[in-house]
Amino acid sequence: EVQLLESGGGLVQPGGSLRLSCAASGFTFSNYAMTWVRQTPGKGLEWVSSISGSGATPYYADSVKGRFTISRDNSKNTLYLQMNSLRTDDTAVYYCAKAFALGCSGGTCRPDYWGQGTLVTVSS
Amino acid sequence: QTVVTQESSFSVSPGGTVTLTCGLSSGSVSTSYSPSWYQQTPGQAPRTLIYSTNTRSSGVPDRFSGSILGNKAALTITGAQADDESDYYCVLYMGSGILVFGGGTKLTVL
Repeated sequence: EVQLLESGGGLVQPGGSLRLSCAASGFTFSNYAMTWVRQTPGKGLEWVSSISGSGATPYYADSVKGRFTISRDNSKNTLYLQMNSLRTDDTAVYYCAKAFALGCSGGTCRPDYWGQGTLVTVSS
Repeated sequence: QTVVTQESSFSVSPGGTVTLTCGLSSGSVSTSYSPSWYQQTPGQAPRTLIYSTNTRSSGVPDRFSGSILGNKAALTITGAQADDESDYYCVLYMGSGILVFGGGTKLTVL
């Protein structure tokens, strides 16, 4: 059974940093790209970032490019999202998701299985 | 910037059929956008229903189906049930690894 467990969320001041983690189990982690999606409370879903199975190829939404860094440690079956220069509009529940394939061509980085999410609140 | 459009809300009677759509602010949706559909109930993580236009995810009942209708992707629910009352989101692949979600449709079954 695929399981994804996010952690690292919390309250941070504007301009601060936070690192999210996503521990994966139930599948061969290195064989799949992974994706972060966020959801502002009461609003819709927003794709944030994806990374190929090898970790060599990251992709970012324009809204986070230059501030967020996605990475993975295949030896630990863990996905990360380093978030710097946080803004109030980054406040959201952040979901980790397993993608459909090793890479992201043809849209295969879209979410297949989802974690339960971790809440990030950016506020002074 | 391309916007993915969805109806903000829809209602269907129990046992009825409803089609939700997913379009583009400019242009037509085709299979090359690899549309996918997700269902989300309040307080829960999304659940994958349909991927690659019309492939049902594991465990999804066959009353959920995906297609291209005209210039939009479509999710059709046949024989709607009370527990289908949820938010439904589509996502489109824009190329270069970029995904864009629609704003979601709130479906009411009454």
